[in-house]
Amino acid sequence: EAGVAQSPRYKIIEKRQSVAFWCNPISGHATLYWYQQILGQGPKLLIQFQNNGVVDDSQLPKDRFSAERLKGVDSTLKIQPAKLEDSAVYLCASSSNLASRETQYFGPGTRLLVL
Amino acid sequence: GESVGLHLPTLSVQEGDNSIINCAYSNSASDYFIWYKQESGKGPQFIIDIRSNMDKRQGQRVTVLLNKTVKHLSLQIAATQPGDSAVYFCAETDFGNEKLTFGTGTRLTIIP
Repeated sequence: EAGVAQSPRYKIIEKRQSVAFWCNPISGHATLYWYQQILGQGPKLLIQFQNNGVVDDSQLPKDRFSAERLKGVDSTLKIQPAKLEDSAVYLCASSSNLASRETQYFGPGTRLLVL
Repeated sequence: GESVGLHLPTLSVQEGDNSIINCAYSNSASDYFIWYKQESGKGPQFIIDIRSNMDKRQGQRVTVLLNKTVKHLSLQIAATQPGDSAVYFCAETDFGNEKLTFGTGTRLTIIP
């Protein structure tokens, strides 16, 4: 079974620039998550989708971050404009359905460095 | 200045010995707990989970213990191998919240 795919794996940008990350979840998984993982910390949930609808975006900094999952499969996360404190690994995860008891499978992440 | 988050708790264990990684949680309503393993450059990988109606669960070479009285969770890894070197995170959730909250993590290093 193919895992969660993410691209790019690494990205370096200057502050105030824009950046976008892409995620392809495990086939058939209805629920998709974006996490931010700052160096030395555990992942923090940014947004959670069920199919193409947003379930929870309470921790997404909506003034600069946006995410979509238009067809209920792939998802993109965008930062515009980026700040220095956005430097982190952005992890995408998917699970077969919404319940938290369903195992979340993580992708390798996109490592972002904002200069 | 330094980031507080850079100071991950660390644990070094001789290959073949057993290791115990601890985690304290604060939400008394949490009723489901998971341990994840994260190797360098990879996403977290599910290891084992436990529900709050249990105090112990065993997997292959791993055991999770839950003490709800003191809100403490531990992961025991038996007969450690070099491939066990990674950062280990505990995560918790409560029924109705449906959102995982991760702890800070512990870096485990296996000494050959």
